[in-house]
Amino acid sequence: GEDVEQSLFLSVREGDSSVINCTYTDSSSTYLYWYKQEPGAGLQLLTYIFSNMDMKQDQRLTVLLNKKDKHLSLRIADTQTGDSAIYFCAEVGRANTDKLIFGTGTRLQVFP
Amino acid sequence: DTEVTQTPKHLVMGMTNKKSLKCEQHMGHRAMYWYKQKAKKPPELMFVYSYEKLSINESVPSRFSPECPNSSLLNLHLHALQPEDSALYLCASSQVIKQPQHFGDGTRLSIL
Repeated sequence: GEDVEQSLFLSVREGDSSVINCTYTDSSSTYLYWYKQEPGAGLQLLTYIFSNMDMKQDQRLTVLLNKKDKHLSLRIADTQTGDSAIYFCAEVGRANTDKLIFGTGTRLQVFP
Repeated sequence: DTEVTQTPKHLVMGMTNKKSLKCEQHMGHRAMYWYKQKAKKPPELMFVYSYEKLSINESVPSRFSPECPNSSLLNLHLHALQPEDSALYLCASSQVIKQPQHFGDGTRLSIL
C-alpha cells in the first residue's frame, strides 16, 4: 500500500532534543521531505533529503535516512516552544508521478 | 511568511453557491497543486498543473473545477458543494514537477 507511518504524538521538555520517526513505503522515492504545520497555517517545508544521502544537517535539524529499513527521522536539537506543531514526513509517490504521499503526522508538544 | 498566497483565508458558502479559491506565486514555478486537508489528517492531492496544463486529477468530483490562467495563478472553482467538502484547501507550487513543493497558508472552507 501507500501508507507512510509516523507516531501520533511526542512530548519533550524545552531544551531537549526531539526525534520524530517515519517509515515510508516506496524504495524508488527520490526525495523525502519534512513539513511543519502550525495551528491554522499551511505546511512549511523544513528540509528534504535526496535518496542517495544518509544524513543532512541544517542548523538545529538533522535528517537521517536508512534506505534498507525505509526509515526516515528528524532530530530537532534544543527544542523550543515555537517548535510545537504537527510534523509530516512525505515521499514522492510511485515512479513517474508527482504525487506527494504524506505520513499521518506527529504532533510535537514542547513543555517548559 | 509564505511565498504562495491564497485568498480568501476563510470562506463560508451554501450548497447552491458558486465561489472560487485563488492561489498566486511569483517564484517562477511551473508546477502548481491543489490539496484538501481535513482536520487531524494529512493533505490529500486533488490536482496537479505542469506548465499550465492539467497533469493529474485524483478522481476529484466535478463540483471542483481547477483553472490555471497563467504560470503564476491557480484557481479552484466551486459549485454545488456538499457539507463533507468543508476542509482546509491548500495550494502549493514547485519549480517543476518532482521538485520540493512550497505551500500557501490555505483557505478554510465551510459549507452550510
